[in-house]
Amino acid sequence: GENVEQHPSTLSVQEGDSAVIKCTYSDSASNYFPWYKQELGKRPQLIIDIRSNVGEKKDQRIAVTLNKTAKHFSLHITETQPEDSAVYFCAAVNGGSQGNLIFGKGTKLSVKP
Amino acid sequence: KAGVTQTPRYLIKTRGQQVTLSCSPISGHRSVSWYQQTPGQGLQFLFEYFSETQRNKGNFPGRFSGRQFSNSRSEMNVSTLELGDSALYLCASRLAATDTQYFGPGTRLTVL
Repeated sequence: GENVEQHPSTLSVQEGDSAVIKCTYSDSASNYFPWYKQELGKRPQLIIDIRSNVGEKKDQRIAVTLNKTAKHFSLHITETQPEDSAVYFCAAVNGGSQGNLIFGKGTKLSVKP
Repeated sequence: KAGVTQTPRYLIKTRGQQVTLSCSPISGHRSVSWYQQTPGQGLQFLFEYFSETQRNKGNFPGRFSGRQFSNSRSEMNVSTLELGDSALYLCASRLAATDTQYFGPGTRLTVL
């Protein structure tokens, strides 16, 4: 089955800096890669996703890149703000099972004002 | 549209008891997936239901079971609770033939 590795586990940046979180996956059949943000005590919320037929996707300050050959994808947050502080999870669909997401262990991002 | 809702939000049980958690998906969503979230293991897939049928099952013991009703509401049941079952249980719904899953607020289960 699918396995997703996520790095780093913690990341601290100054407000205004960029943050990058990286994930690798194992199953070449995976075709959908979402990123979720989870604030303390809240539900995971989708912030951006990418499908395997696309190499990059951007939404304002957030972008995701996908390298299918190397089986890795990354989240890029530019001009970070204190409200970006949260735990971020990457995920991959397990094979062809669209309802089965395999998650990375999460990255705790702290943005210092 | 109303988001995914889960009841109850908090639950305290003792070892050996059983528990039933409920999830109401976004209107029109027929797929409901369940996940267990713990500090040590992170988010782990339990099972997915679609049109009242279990589609996929994660690597959890048979004490964990679920079902889905004709209105797409789903329940999960955990029998013979163990201390290690203490976790946040999240459900997520999605439209058929789409990928995006929307999460509910979760049920925080504490087993004493």
